[in-house]
Amino acid sequence: GAGVSQSPSNKVTEKGKDVELRCDPISGHTALYWYRQSLGQGLEFLIYFQGNSAPDKSGLPSDRFSAERTGGSVSTLTIQRTQQEDSAVYLCASSLMAYTGELFFGEGSRLTVL
Amino acid sequence: AQKVTQAQTEISVVEKEDVTLDCVYETRDTTYYLFWYKQPPSGELVFLIRRNSFDEQNEISGRYSWNFQKSTSSFNFTITASQVVDSAVYFCALSGDLTGGGNKLTFGTGTQLKVEL
Repeated sequence: GAGVSQSPSNKVTEKGKDVELRCDPISGHTALYWYRQSLGQGLEFLIYFQGNSAPDKSGLPSDRFSAERTGGSVSTLTIQRTQQEDSAVYLCASSLMAYTGELFFGEGSRLTVL
Repeated sequence: AQKVTQAQTEISVVEKEDVTLDCVYETRDTTYYLFWYKQPPSGELVFLIRRNSFDEQNEISGRYSWNFQKSTSSFNFTITASQVVDSAVYFCALSGDLTGGGNKLTFGTGTQLKVEL
């Protein structure tokens, strides 16, 4: 489809394992964002990419979290040594340009850490 | 720091009723933008509207209308003649100057709207 695609849609992992979440933005969208949605917590900003660079990674909660974007397209969010508090829905969004505010979101990757 | 407060956690209405979702924001920026997003059960957030801080005109789009009041730092959303398909979580969001290098949005915690027959 033409929307933002995220995989996996659901991931169950054991505490201490590493996970990778993938985001494929809308073709041509230069800006890409990762947000985390926890129950009752709203959406928490994690990191923003413009092209392949990340001008704002202020929302990453710890050094266990990292993200990269290659070819100005696909992005991967990696969580190392997962903890139970990492359980959440991880949402990716893209926008045509960085200054419109109109973000197109994917359906999210639900992460459960046992 | 920016903050968005949506005090209503959940609202239930009967179809055809009007409903208003409240949003109060805090920011020190003189230029800022306000947004509403809808998250249906499928989970994918959908952009509804963007307003900038210099435009206080109310906006109407079909059954949706938005009331922006800088004096009370509020950006409320009204659905007229609600329908079952309006059932979703609605998020209000705020950003600073969008040309400043990115449009990091600060979201409220959302209001779950349930429209029943």
